[in-house]
Amino acid sequence: GAVVSQHPSWVICKSGTSVKIECRSLDFQATTMFWYRQFPKQSLMLMATSNEGSKATYEQGVEKDKFLINHASLTLSTLTVTSAHPEDSSFYICSAREDPNTEAFFGQGTRLTVV
Amino acid sequence: QKEVEQNSGPLSVPEGAIASLNCTYSDRGSQSFFWYRQYSGKSPELIMSIYSNGDKEDGRFTAQLNKASQYVSLLIRDSQPSDSATYLCAVGAGGTSYGKLTFGQGTILTVHP
Repeated sequence: GAVVSQHPSWVICKSGTSVKIECRSLDFQATTMFWYRQFPKQSLMLMATSNEGSKATYEQGVEKDKFLINHASLTLSTLTVTSAHPEDSSFYICSAREDPNTEAFFGQGTRLTVV
Repeated sequence: QKEVEQNSGPLSVPEGAIASLNCTYSDRGSQSFFWYRQYSGKSPELIMSIYSNGDKEDGRFTAQLNKASQYVSLLIRDSQPSDSATYLCAVGAGGTSYGKLTFGQGTILTVHP
């Protein structure tokens, strides 16, 4: 399958600081990338969908000013958690796909811990 | 509200048996269906995709889709302890939300020696 690389795999930050997570498609052009959040023992919750060159579409209840998403190229999307707080601690996972009706491949995930 | 439902389990099967995982979805306009496997602390990995009614086989895995019943399943033959994981059903929307994936809550599978 296609390769999606997510970086960093884990990060610890202080409350009030911002954290940037990168998601790269290594061997295909991702017209669409998705960002998910997963709390322990729960399923993936879609946060936002981003299409290259356009603004991200956020799911209901997700603060767009807190979770900044940039999809500047067909191979890179970034998620910035601004002014992070302990309740933002979670497993953040990106996925990417080349075509709207094909498989989405996941990055390795980023475990964020805010202290 | 568009939903994807799975039995959360845990489903426990002996090694070598067939594990059967089920998923129902509410959006009749759904176009694509996927099964992902997720090990604890890891991100999901794609196992199977299916787009039309019927069966699709890949090695020990068989996905079954019945759009009339809004039902998709995954069969794992000759289950191995390494198959122990959480299995996520994902459904791709049609219409105005074309391609957007909705995940079920996952079924925990345990294969015991």
